[in-house]
Amino acid sequence: AQSVTQLGSHVSVSEGALVLLRCNYSSSVPPYLFWYVQYPNQGLQLLLKYTTGATLVKGINGFEAEFKKSETSFHLTKPSAHMSDAAEYFCAVSPQYDKVIFGPGTSLSVIP
Amino acid sequence: DTAVSQTPKYLVTQMGNDKSIKCEQNLGHDTMYWYKQDSKKFLKIMFSYNNKELIINETVPNRFSPKSPDKAHLNLHINSLELGDSAVYFCASSQDGGPQETQYFGPGTRLLVL
Repeated sequence: AQSVTQLGSHVSVSEGALVLLRCNYSSSVPPYLFWYVQYPNQGLQLLLKYTTGATLVKGINGFEAEFKKSETSFHLTKPSAHMSDAAEYFCAVSPQYDKVIFGPGTSLSVIP
Repeated sequence: DTAVSQTPKYLVTQMGNDKSIKCEQNLGHDTMYWYKQDSKKFLKIMFSYNNKELIINETVPNRFSPKSPDKAHLNLHINSLELGDSAVYFCASSQDGGPQETQYFGPGTRLLVL
């Protein structure tokens, strides 16, 4: 069965510091991989996704993620955190034949 | 223009009541979904429809019944509401349900059962 784990349910960073949100997955076939962001009292919106090709994927708002097959990871990074980045972040995997499975989410706080 | 809209945004009701949540998308997508997000933010798919046909029907109580009158609308009817149904319910859509596709989410309906 496919699953997604996100290390750290809460992450705090200082404004201007590096953001690193971790995502690991288990899948019997190479999946499609997503990061979604949920701002308070809003629905989820796509940050970035990996389907095929280049393993380093750039998304909106300065975020990027790298697919590492050998580590079954898809960690999300941003070089410099901004106050507006405070939100809930969800990693998701979509095996090529089945529905999208969302991770439990990581709440990011940005300290001024 | 709102891509995926849901009504109502908030719903407070008593146990045992029946309620409906409506969802509409104007993206021209063929596939729509209902998700439940619990108090710990865990997001779980409930149903998906492709062009009005039920595709995914997860293990949810049969008190929950989706209805898709056309491919732009997917409504969720809940009978005999229970305390445990309190959650945020999200509607989403994607082009045709392919695994690589982006899902577009509505703003959510916050259901509180008293």
